[in-house]
Amino acid sequence: ETGVTQSPTHLIKTRGQQVTLRCSSQSGHNTVSWYQQALGQGPQFIFQYYREEENGRGNFPPRFSGLQFPNYSSELNVNALELDDSALYLCASSRKLANEQFFGPGTRLTVL
Amino acid sequence: QQQVKQSPQSLIVQKGGISIINCAYENTAFDYFPWYQQFPGKGPALLIAIRPDVSEKKEGRFTISFNKSAKQFSLHIMDSQPGDSATYFCAASVNGGTSYGKLTFGQGTILTVHP
Repeated sequence: ETGVTQSPTHLIKTRGQQVTLRCSSQSGHNTVSWYQQALGQGPQFIFQYYREEENGRGNFPPRFSGLQFPNYSSELNVNALELDDSALYLCASSRKLANEQFFGPGTRLTVL
Repeated sequence: QQQVKQSPQSLIVQKGGISIINCAYENTAFDYFPWYQQFPGKGPALLIAIRPDVSEKKEGRFTISFNKSAKQFSLHIMDSQPGDSATYFCAASVNGGTSYGKLTFGQGTILTVHP
């Protein structure tokens, strides 16, 4: 069984740029959630995708957007990057309407 | 609004000792309470989880104790080992309808087990 994978591992951007992060869900999982983890903090829920539609959103501005594809992989897009967007971005996948979330290794985004 | 409060921020335990991490929540609609373990440079890994219809769940050296009336739950790590040194997060979610798996995390506890 293939686990959750994310790409890239690390990314450096400058303020005002746009970034796209990618996630492949674990085999058999059709729900993907994205989280932002600032240094020394717990992960914060950004949004969840189920059946290629957004299924709930946390307290993040509209410049954070996402997509889910028919193969259940997902993208997180962040526009107009700000310094505070520097964080580890985690993707988690789960089976349909299941509690258990399985996390990928994350993408470390640094905004200069 | 922080809905899940975790303590302590850091914990040092000797090998073979018991590590105890506590969490308190505010939202009485929460009905799923997992604990995650995270090593540096890795994503969180699910350790153990509990639902509010039971007061305790044990898996190997890891036990969750749950107190619904106090809105508190805790993780106990028995016979702590140096390999347990990691950051531990409690979390909670509301589940029902199409709302599953949207986790609210605590701030984390850095556990160090000395040999």
